[in-house]
Amino acid sequence: AQSVSQHNHHVILSEAASLELGCNYSYGGTVNLFWYVQYPGQHLQLLLKYFSGDPLVKGIKGFEAEFIKSKFSFNLRKPSVQWSDTAEYFCAVNGRSSNDYKLSFGAGTTVTVRA
Amino acid sequence: DGGITQSPKYLFRKEGQNVTLSCEQNLNHDAMYWYRQDPGQGLRLIYYSQIVNDFQKGDIAEGYSVSREKKESFPLTVTSAQKNPTAFYLCASSIGSGFETQYFGPGTRLLVL
Repeated sequence: AQSVSQHNHHVILSEAASLELGCNYSYGGTVNLFWYVQYPGQHLQLLLKYFSGDPLVKGIKGFEAEFIKSKFSFNLRKPSVQWSDTAEYFCAVNGRSSNDYKLSFGAGTTVTVRA
Repeated sequence: DGGITQSPKYLFRKEGQNVTLSCEQNLNHDAMYWYRQDPGQGLRLIYYSQIVNDFQKGDIAEGYSVSREKKESFPLTVTSAQKNPTAFYLCASSIGSGFETQYFGPGTRLLVL
């Protein structure tokens, strides 16, 4: 069974600071990787995803993530955060077998950006 | 406007009562999912359905039941057997395979009286 670990429960930082959220997964095969974001009062929405190809993936709102296969990691980064980046961030993974629909989520990281 | 709707936004359940949460999508997606979100635990999969009239248990299916009689609808019933039902419930859908992005509804918060 696959599992996802997010290293930080709550991150607090100031505007213009750089952000990096850690995500590690365990799975015996090839995976698809996702970062979702939940802004206060809004739907959970996709930030970015990795299926194959370039391991550095760019998403919406200036976010990017790097897949490092040897480390089973998919860390999320943003060079300069804004107050509007305050949200909860979830890393998720599913195995790329033919009928594997199950998406496993990490516990989430709450990010608070102070103006 | 395409999307996923969940109703109600808040739901109250009395002890021993079954309650049903609604999930409707007009995205023409084949696959639909129910997740439970608890603070500090992320999202956990309750049930999923890849196609009409078929569904599979997720990681925490005990105390829950679902049906998938129509492509656009995937209601979740929280039965009296679910001893800790207070949570935020999220419905999602995707085009089909696990390669595809899952799109989420606004959620229903269930509270026990």
